Parts: sequence; C-alpha cells; structure tokens
Amino acid sequence: GDSVTQMEGPVTLSEEAFLTINCTYTATGYPSLFWYVQYPGEGLQLLLKATKADDKGSNKGFEATYRKETTSFHLEKGSVQVSDSAVYFCALSRSPGTYKYIFGTGTRLKVLA
Amino acid sequence: NAGVTQTPKFRVLKTGQSMTLLCAQDMNHEYMYWYRQDPGMGLRLIHYSVGEGTTAKGEVPDGYNVSRLKKQNFLLGLESAAPSQTSVYFCASRGDAANYGYTFGSGTRLTVV
Repeated sequence: GDSVTQMEGPVTLSEEAFLTINCTYTATGYPSLFWYVQYPGEGLQLLLKATKADDKGSNKGFEATYRKETTSFHLEKGSVQVSDSAVYFCALSRSPGTYKYIFGTGTRLKVLA
Repeated sequence: NAGVTQTPKFRVLKTGQSMTLLCAQDMNHEYMYWYRQDPGMGLRLIHYSVGEGTTAKGEVPDGYNVSRLKKQNFLLGLESAAPSQTSVYFCASRGDAANYGYTFGSGTRLTVV
C-alpha cells in the first residue's frame, strides 16, 4: 500500500544553517505531495505542495521538488530561523479515487539562536 | 477567521465516561476527517466522511463513533473512554480535488484517567 517515510528527528540546527528534511514515498499512480508544519500547541498547516513530477512547491523560503525517479520530496530551506522550530510532516494523496492522505511520522526541527 | 473549529480544546475524562468532540467547518468542504496524534506515531486516521450523511472507518476506528448529520459538522464520540484514548485529536476538511490540501483544526487534547 501507499506509504511515506521521513527522516527521524529531532533535527537541531543553528540559526541561518541550511535545512534538509528527507521524505520518500511509495504509491501507485501519480500522487500529489505535501509538506505540513505544526507549531507547538497548534494544528497542522499546509506549507507547500506539488502535484506532478518535477514540480517545485515553495512557501516562506521552503522548497521541495517532486522527484518521481527517486520517489522523493525533500524539504529544504537555505537559512533557517528560530521561528521555524516546529514539526514537519510529509504527506501524499493518490488520485484519482482516494479520499485519504497518507502522512509521515513527522520530523521535529529545533533551531538554536 | 473561517476554517475548522474544534471544541473543546482540552478535556479530562474518567475511564468509562463518554464524550463528544465537535468539528465545524465553514468552507463548504465535502470531506472531513478525524485523526489522533500520539508521540512517535504521527497522525492516524480514525474515521472520515465523504459527504453529508456518510461515514467510513479509518486505520484506528475501534472505540470511536462518528456522525455527519450536517455538511458543516463532524462529530466524534467516545462511548466508554479508556486510558489508551489519551491523545490529541485533530479534525480536518478538504475540498473536492485530491490535490487540495487539508485544513486542520487546532486540536483537542484529551486525557483519560
């Protein structure tokens, strides 16, 4: 069945460091891929998405490219800030026909000043 | 601001008690979902609904019931709470296309003692 695998956390970085959070997926067909962010005490918020191969999603300085050949959707940011400290979830939605998203287990990011 | 509203935000129950969590959305979304979030396990789907009057089981439905009598509301019930149901519960909704992102509520933190 469909699945999403994220790198284990926590990831601890200094402010202005480069961030990569790995995400790989297994799915039939052509899924849409998402990154969600969860700040402490809050629900998940959509950060970015990509709906087809080679698409790049971007938002708030974060980017991720849909790589079908490697079945990956790694999240990157060139210079993290303390305010980026949160839990990041990778997810997929396979279309057509499914109503349920598959989420990864989340990766906690801690950015130190 | 519009979106997904969950009530209550916090609750403590004794083992065996019952309660209902309410999720309300004002975006005219067809699809609604209940997830639970536990440390190290990511989000697990409890039940979902693809439209008014419909419900379906997710990955971990045991011990929960749901109803979707009105399109904007999705209720999650615990008939006889158990300590294993201590968790943070999130409701989400989605528009029609599979590549739409979910909109999440801010969560209900439930403790069963």
